[in-house]
This record gives sequence, C-alpha cells and structure tokens, in this order.
Amino acid sequence: SAVISQKPSRDICQRGTSLTIQCQVDSQVTMMFWYRQQPGQSLTLIATANQGSEATYESGFVIDKFPISRPNLTFSTLTVSNMSPEDSSIYLCSAEGPDTGELFFGEGSRLTVL
Amino acid sequence: GQNIDQPTEMTATEGAIVQINCTYQTSGFNGLFWYQQHAGEAPTFLSYNVLDGLEEKGRFSSFLSRSKGYSYLLLKELQMKDSASYLCAVTDKLIFGTGTRLQVFP
Repeated sequence: SAVISQKPSRDICQRGTSLTIQCQVDSQVTMMFWYRQQPGQSLTLIATANQGSEATYESGFVIDKFPISRPNLTFSTLTVSNMSPEDSSIYLCSAEGPDTGELFFGEGSRLTVL
Repeated sequence: GQNIDQPTEMTATEGAIVQINCTYQTSGFNGLFWYQQHAGEAPTFLSYNVLDGLEEKGRFSSFLSRSKGYSYLLLKELQMKDSASYLCAVTDKLIFGTGTRLQVFP
C-alpha cells in the first residue's frame, strides 16, 4: 500500500492568486495523478504527473493553468494559477500501487476562492 | 471517447441487498475499480476486476462483463455506515464515473 500526504488540507484564497499543493508518498511509485472533485460531483482527472518529463494533461486542462512538477518518485506538486471562484474544489493527489494497480488517494486539499 | 455511467442516487434499508450498476465505453481497458467515498473524505478502494466474473470480498462483491461494458457492485447485509458515494473507475487511465450516492435507512 501507499500512504499519501497532501498539504495544505484546505485554504481560502483571493481571486487572481496562485496556490501550490504538495503531495508526498511514503514509497516510490511510478504513476501519480491529480484529480479535481467539485462539490457533489465525482472525480475528474486533471493530469498524470510524469517523473522527469512534462505532465500529461486531460482535455480541458492546460499546463499554464495547472502546472505540475514531479521531481522524483515520491513527490509531486500541483499549482492552481490565477485562481477564480470556479476553481473552488477539492484537489486530490493519487498514486498507483506497485502490484495491483490500485489507486491510493491523499486526503485532498479543499480550496475556496473568494 | 470516454463514457462511464452510474445511477446518481439509490436508497435502501438496513440489512437489505443493493446492486449498483456501471456501464462504460472507453478507448482503453485494463480493469475496473470500485471505490467508496464518505462525505468529506478521500475515496477508498473496494475492488478491482480484470477478468469477467464475480469477485467476492466479504459483504461486497463486484461483477464484470467486458463484452457488455458492464459492471456491478453488490452490497449485502447493508449497514448504516454503508451510506456513501460509490465510484466506478476504468483503467488504463483511471477515469471515474459520476458516482452513485447510496443512502441506507434504518
């Protein structure tokens, strides 16, 4: 299994600012992902965080808005840039377990943009 | 494209059995996951089906038919604590369905 720590757990931000969310895994993992979960909805994949190369973004998400870093096999960051109230959401980091492909999740970062 | 469908909401009574269906149309398929998510918490893993058939794990069972693009999660002997959202997700890239909010009543 993998234990994933995210921070901050929650934040309130002003429109136009940027926030970086950090994700730390307690073991080396190949695949790490970032999801967004808007209130009352399911999870939407933002991007796959690739170690040593640029992240792979899903349709509707771009690097300028959601830059991602993955400097090693245990750590990743997601930045939400130039925030607007529409970005208010829970952002979840996840990592794929080495054996079964099971996806483990961090506790999420609840972001409120005023 | 990717399309994963689940019922939005279901209700059931304590002690009963409930079946949550999931249909999918995806460009790639390696397996299907079911996750449980309580309000305000991260999703937790329930099951993973790669081959057709039924996988049983205690009170929870999951079924997969790859030819039909269909899965279900079966919950037996329902308890109040089973009230949660149940998310179906398909790999190779883990794409989640809309989720089914289950409410268990006494």
